[in-house]
Amino acid sequence: NAGVTQTPKFRVLKTGQSMTLLCAQDMNHEYMYWYRQDPGMGLRLIHYSVGEGTTAKGEVPDGYNVSRLKKQNFLLGLESAAPSQTSVYFCASTYAGADTQYFGPGTRLTVL
Amino acid sequence: KQEVTQIPAALSVPEGENLVLNCSFTDSAIYNLQWFRQDPGKGLTSLLLIQSSQREQTSGRLNASLDKSSGRSTLYIAASQPGDSATYLCAVRWVLTGGGNKLTFGTGTQLKVEL
Repeated sequence: NAGVTQTPKFRVLKTGQSMTLLCAQDMNHEYMYWYRQDPGMGLRLIHYSVGEGTTAKGEVPDGYNVSRLKKQNFLLGLESAAPSQTSVYFCASTYAGADTQYFGPGTRLTVL
Repeated sequence: KQEVTQIPAALSVPEGENLVLNCSFTDSAIYNLQWFRQDPGKGLTSLLLIQSSQREQTSGRLNASLDKSSGRSTLYIAASQPGDSATYLCAVRWVLTGGGNKLTFGTGTQLKVEL
């Protein structure tokens, strides 16, 4: 049982490049979330999903897209990366109606 | 707007000291409140979760309290140890209209316990 895993762990992009961050969970959780963590800002919710094939916007969704084609995976895409998207990205998952979210180890993204 | 604030931003204490971390939130209609620990370069680990109907939760040397009416929670750490050095995050859960729930995080308190 690996829990929540994130790929890649680190990435450096140039402005305008695109990339996809992968989150995978093997706990059969219905809900999955993407957050970003910035100094002095705390964690902020980007997008979330309450089930396969469904996604919804969080606090700071602009510049990101997500997909949940399989229950165990939640993808976060940056179509045209900007320096303002330099951050640490965390994925989390939980059962429907559960109290505790389980977090992945994070992806550190730098956009030059 | 639902906001969570943590004070102080950083704290340094000698080993063995008891300490209190503070968290305040703006909307008292919370679902629950959770304290997390984050070590440098790592993800978040849940420490304690307090339901909206509860006043406190305890785990080992940790005790978290909740006062919804005043919009405050405290995390009490007894007999601090160098291994307690980490960033402590407070997160408040509010239910989302479309289903699921949203954790709103404070900016954290960076704790250093010195020998």
